[in-house]
Amino acid sequence: RVVQSGAEVKKPGASVKVSCKASGYNFTGYYMHWVRQAPGQGLEWMGWINPNSGDTNYAQQFQDRVTMTRDTSISTAYMELSRLRSDDTAVYYCASSMDVWGQGTTVTVSS
Amino acid sequence: DVVMTQSPLSLPVTLGQPASISCRSSQSLVHSDGNTYLNWFQQRPGQSPRRLIYKVSNRDSGVPDRFSGSGSGTDFTLKISRVEAEDVGVYYCMQSTHWSLTFGGGTKVEIK
Repeated sequence: RVVQSGAEVKKPGASVKVSCKASGYNFTGYYMHWVRQAPGQGLEWMGWINPNSGDTNYAQQFQDRVTMTRDTSISTAYMELSRLRSDDTAVYYCASSMDVWGQGTTVTVSS
Repeated sequence: DVVMTQSPLSLPVTLGQPASISCRSSQSLVHSDGNTYLNWFQQRPGQSPRRLIYKVSNRDSGVPDRFSGSGSGTDFTLKISRVEAEDVGVYYCMQSTHWSLTFGGGTKVEIK
């Protein structure tokens, strides 16, 4: 399973870092994806990280604002989004190999 | 990016009756390795998404056999043979053949 960090409230222009801790499987064996869902909207893929190598692949619309990292010693992946805007308000999910999903982390961006 | 178009947007279904959701891609989803990476996800109200089907027609572990996937190239279908109350939610197709991964807009399944 994967367990995500708790809800966050941020001001426009700030950054947020969401964590995703894996357990019960080989963390480094499966890509970790990040997907977000704005209120009442569909799913949007943000990118993935290969926990083994640290290689990343970001969706073009997030290229200049997102950073995905991992700490293999604690089987945890991180997604940091910078220069937050109000339209970044969403539930952010991590999903190991698109198969095992976290519970979601609500990020609210408001002044 | 590859555009994934689902229909219908909303699907009212009578319990015990079949349901069918269509997903079309703007480009062929056949990968250079010969596989077609088309997935289906279910999102029940208030829950995280759950993958049901991968590579067009392979059911994930624990997925009831009333769910089936089919299709090829650019046209794909998810079928529920007999809808149950627990099937209420939004269904998404997603392609992972081309970078970047893209989702369809979703189809809301509800009980009549």
